[in-house]
Amino acid sequence: EAGVAQSPRYKIIEKRQSVAFWCNPISGHATLYWYQQILGQGPKLLIQFQNNGVVDDSQLPKDRFSAERLKGVDSTLKIQPAKLEDSAVYLCASSRGIEKLFFGSGTQLSVL
Amino acid sequence: GNSVTQMEGPVTLSEEAFLTINCTYTATGYPSLFWYVQYPGEGLQLLLKATKADDKGSNKGFEATYRKETTSFHLEKGSVQVSDSAVYFCALTGYGQNFVFGPGTRLSVLP
Repeated sequence: EAGVAQSPRYKIIEKRQSVAFWCNPISGHATLYWYQQILGQGPKLLIQFQNNGVVDDSQLPKDRFSAERLKGVDSTLKIQPAKLEDSAVYLCASSRGIEKLFFGSGTQLSVL
Repeated sequence: GNSVTQMEGPVTLSEEAFLTINCTYTATGYPSLFWYVQYPGEGLQLLLKATKADDKGSNKGFEATYRKETTSFHLEKGSVQVSDSAVYFCALTGYGQNFVFGPGTRLSVLP
């Protein structure tokens, strides 16, 4: 089966600019996650969707980050405006159940 | 809250050496424990898991045993290969809770 697709693979922007990331989960996976992975750290959950509803967004900096999952399939994560500390890899994952996550290759964001 | 601690890397070994990567956790209740691996240029993928005390997860020659008395889930492999070079993440999840990942341990295996 096809894996989790993410784009772009890399993105370089200046601070205060906006950026968007796209994720297409594995077909049939109802749950979709966005993680932030800062260099040298483990992934940190930003937001979890179940179908097109938000299950957990407690660690999403809502003043600058937003995410949507229209029609319960693919999803977009946006940062506006970006800060230097947003430089990280943004990982999308999907799952059918709660115990096995399938990750995409991630988008590496550099904010200059 | 739940948390995971891993030994700091990087770990550098020669091919066919024995590998141990330590992982300890703090959690309420009875979490499920996981090791995920991230090969260069790829996304994280599940390596093995254990869902209850004394369970042993195994895959690709790697093993880890869920030790509730020591709150540990150490990853071991008897003979590493160059192709095992990657970053290894210990993780846990509890009922109704999301995954919590450790910081990762980078392993480099030299021929």
